[in-house]
Amino acid sequence: KNEVEQSPQNLTAQEGEFITINCSYSVGISALHWLQQHPGGGIVSLFMLSSGKKKHGRLIATINIQEKHSSLHITASHPRDSAVYICAVMEYGNKLVFGAGTILRVKS
Amino acid sequence: GAGVSQSPSNKVTEKGKDVELRCDPISGHTALYWYRQSLGQGLEFLIYFQGNSAPDKSGLPSDRFSAERTGGSVSTLTIQRTQQEDSAVYLCASSPDSRNQPQHFGDGTRLSIL
Repeated sequence: KNEVEQSPQNLTAQEGEFITINCSYSVGISALHWLQQHPGGGIVSLFMLSSGKKKHGRLIATINIQEKHSSLHITASHPRDSAVYICAVMEYGNKLVFGAGTILRVKS
Repeated sequence: GAGVSQSPSNKVTEKGKDVELRCDPISGHTALYWYRQSLGQGLEFLIYFQGNSAPDKSGLPSDRFSAERTGGSVSTLTIQRTQQEDSAVYLCASSPDSRNQPQHFGDGTRLSIL
């Protein structure tokens, strides 16, 4: 079993839909990261959180430390949101462990 | 530019050759990470540098892989006697320090071993 599990693996949505991507982990962590990777490879850090909830524009990330679970929400999705979304956890230490990613496609 | 810079962006080489990949972190960032993303697989941690401390090499897949960071800034990842399974995108990231801060990623080096 992978230390970081993401679901779904693939997601197709219609423009304007509310999207949720889930991440579960099995190890103790100091922080959780959500990353975005567009075709062509560039990776952008969206959020880093260790408790509660963070919001940036149409993106919201939440984490429940007790349940070892995090969600990334996209409100009013747009085709430019199409990308791979990756959950990664920072174990105690300095090593990021990555989920396999969720491939999101938003159709207009 | 102000971001993490990696070179070359693409590298094609023959099996058995040595390769060097370079990473120039954001100025002032003391933490530097190398990751690998193989085709069809997720990202995996390779090595981590923090200031003058001994690097965390726990992710290096074999002794053919090594990395150094000179003067606390530029880092070089070296792969000796390359194998086809080394083909991947090698990504470098930096952060101001290691204490739970967002990492800034370079665009990566796409390495292809023929």
